Amino acid sequence: QVQLQESGPGLVRPSETLSLTCTVSGDSVSTTSHYWGWIRQTPGKGLEWIGYIYYNGHTDYNPSLRSRVSLSIDTAMNQFSLKLRSVSAADTAVYFCARWNYYERNSFDSWGPGTVAIVS
Amino acid sequence: DTQMTQSPSSLSASIRDRVTITCRASENINNYLSWYQHKPGKAPKLLIYAASTLESGVPSRFSGNGSETHFTLTISSLQPEDFATYYCQQSYRVPYTFGQGTSLDIK
Repeated sequence: QVQLQESGPGLVRPSETLSLTCTVSGDSVSTTSHYWGWIRQTPGKGLEWIGYIYYNGHTDYNPSLRSRVSLSIDTAMNQFSLKLRSVSAADTAVYFCARWNYYERNSFDSWGPGTVAIVS
Repeated sequence: DTQMTQSPSSLSASIRDRVTITCRASENINNYLSWYQHKPGKAPKLLIYAASTLESGVPSRFSGNGSETHFTLTISSLQPEDFATYYCQQSYRVPYTFGQGTSLDIK
């Protein structure tokens, strides 16, 4: 059974870069069957899709964040990561990593429990 | 972006009640609609994909229906573990978007 776990600093200063990592167990980020994505939850905007990455490094991002976000994948560590630059208070949120099943479900079929990131 | 609107925003119900949550899309999304259950501090859980297909391991009291712009999630007989927040999500067009959520609590 696949499990995902987010990690990263809970507090980031305004204008700096938020860096989060998702560690995957029970599956390989090298699989060709899935993408690996990030979603955040804010009080004001609810759930917001940030983007996802494929094993070969192909990415797709939410246009609203594209200028500030980058995703990367580390197949050796079985992890993928998010970097969000020039953060502000509006980026304070719970950040979830999730597996995107594009082949059969077109859904996020497994999620991590989320990690809180506060910009202050 | 495709806007997803859920109703109601909150709902109080009793054990063994039948409840239905509605999700409307701002454009035709065919059946590219998923439903998730989320409990505080836990990982969200996929319940339904392709509008009406039950994810493996999800109890059969959950069902999804609809197409194009109008979708529903029905719980046929509420159980204590069903009290949570439910979200719809479209995967027809990037950026993928979610409804604002329906909080289901015990009456």
